[in-house]
Amino acid sequence: KAGVTQTPRYLIKTRGQQVTLSCSPISGHRSVSWYQQTPGQGLQFLFEYFSETQRNKGNFPGRFSGRQFSNSRSEMNVSTLELGDSALYLCASSLGMAGANVLTFGAGSRLTVL
Amino acid sequence: DQQVKQNSPSLSVQEGRISILNCDYTNSMFDYFLWYKKYPAEGPTFLISISSIKDKNEDGRFTVFLNKSAKHLSLHIVPSQPGDSAVYFCAASAKFGATNKLIFGTGTLLAVQP
Repeated sequence: KAGVTQTPRYLIKTRGQQVTLSCSPISGHRSVSWYQQTPGQGLQFLFEYFSETQRNKGNFPGRFSGRQFSNSRSEMNVSTLELGDSALYLCASSLGMAGANVLTFGAGSRLTVL
Repeated sequence: DQQVKQNSPSLSVQEGRISILNCDYTNSMFDYFLWYKKYPAEGPTFLISISSIKDKNEDGRFTVFLNKSAKHLSLHIVPSQPGDSAVYFCAASAKFGATNKLIFGTGTLLAVQP
């Protein structure tokens, strides 16, 4: 069974640009959650999508957005990048909603903003 | 407001000894707790969980203890092995309204010395 796939694995952007990250969940998993990992901050929850609908949202500015497609694949977008957006972005999938199910994480997309 | 706290950013233990990783939470509504392990360049992987109706759950070398009155959980690894060296995240889940929310701690870096 293929795991959670995130692309790209690494990317470098400059301030003001925008970026789109992609996540393919495990086949059959309907929930996709996104997290930002930075040193000292742990895993900060961005949002969760289930059946193409955003079900939960963390405390991030509106520059962070996402969507989920009918095949459960998800994308997240960050517009007007800031230096502080440099982080590892992790996607996780689960059969049902994240809070009631074990998450399977991808390896992450490492974003560097210069 | 960090609802799930791991106050020790790092821990160093000798091989064969016990590793104890701690986690505190503030919200008594949390009813399900999980531990994830993360190696560099990989996504976190699920390790062990415990429901709030229990005070202990064991899986091989890993045991999680839950003290609801103290709002504290701990992960014991016995005996510790060099391959256990990783970042460990605790997570807590609760139902808020119509959705479940999963909140992660900041992580503890465990180094097991040979």
